[in-house]
Amino acid sequence: DADVTQTPRNRITKTGKRIMLECSQTKGHDRMYWYRQDPGLGLRLIYYSFDVKDINKGEISDGYSVSRQAQAKFSLSLESAIPNQTALYFCATSRQGNSPLHFGNGTRLTVT
Amino acid sequence: QQQVKQSPQSLIVQKGGISIINCAYENTAFDYFPWYQQFPGKGPALLIAIRPDVSEKKEGRFTISFNKSAKQFSLHIMDSQPGDSATYFCAASMGAGNMLTFGGGTRLMVKP
Repeated sequence: DADVTQTPRNRITKTGKRIMLECSQTKGHDRMYWYRQDPGLGLRLIYYSFDVKDINKGEISDGYSVSRQAQAKFSLSLESAIPNQTALYFCATSRQGNSPLHFGNGTRLTVT
Repeated sequence: QQQVKQSPQSLIVQKGGISIINCAYENTAFDYFPWYQQFPGKGPALLIAIRPDVSEKKEGRFTISFNKSAKQFSLHIMDSQPGDSATYFCAASMGAGNMLTFGGGTRLMVKP
C-alpha cells in the first residue's frame, strides 16, 4: 500500500487547460512537497508546505499553484497548461529536519 | 544554474563491478548530502546520506565518499548487481529546512 498516493498516474491535456494533480498521504507527516522531474535536470522543487497554513514557493513556481487542504492532502494546479510543463511530477512528504523525503509514484503529465 | 552537478548521466557496469557516480556542489553552506535511488515507475527513495563532518559512510555495498575541500562527493556501489539498475540522484541541503537541491541524475545499468 502506498503511503503517498498521487492521482492521476497519467494525464494528457491540451495547451491552455487548467488541471489539478492530487496528493494524499497516510504517513502523518507535516511537511509536503511538489517536485518536477525532467531528464538531465533531476528533481526541481515547485512548492512546499510545512503545515496546513504554510505555503512556500520553490525553485520553479511560475505557472503553478498549490492548495494544502488538510495535513494529508496537497494539490498542485496548472492554471493554463503549456507544452514545456510536460514532465513527471512527484509529491513527497517528510518529518521535520533532514529526515528522508517519501515520494509518491509520480504523475506523468503531457501537454499537447 | 545547477548548484549540484552530477556525472555521468548514464553508466553501464558489468555484474560484480564497481559503479561510481560523482557530484560536485557550489554552496559551501550545504551540510547534508543524501543519495536517492529511483526504479522505473516509482518515486525516488533515500539510499544513504552523509554529513560533512565525516569523509566516508558505508552501508552494505554502498559507500559515500566526501571531499569537503574539493566540494565533491561520490557514491560507490561495490559488487554491482542487476537489481541495482536504477536512476541515482545526489542531493544537498543546508540547515534543518530540508530543501533539497538535486543533481541531474545518473541512469545505471548493470549487465548480467
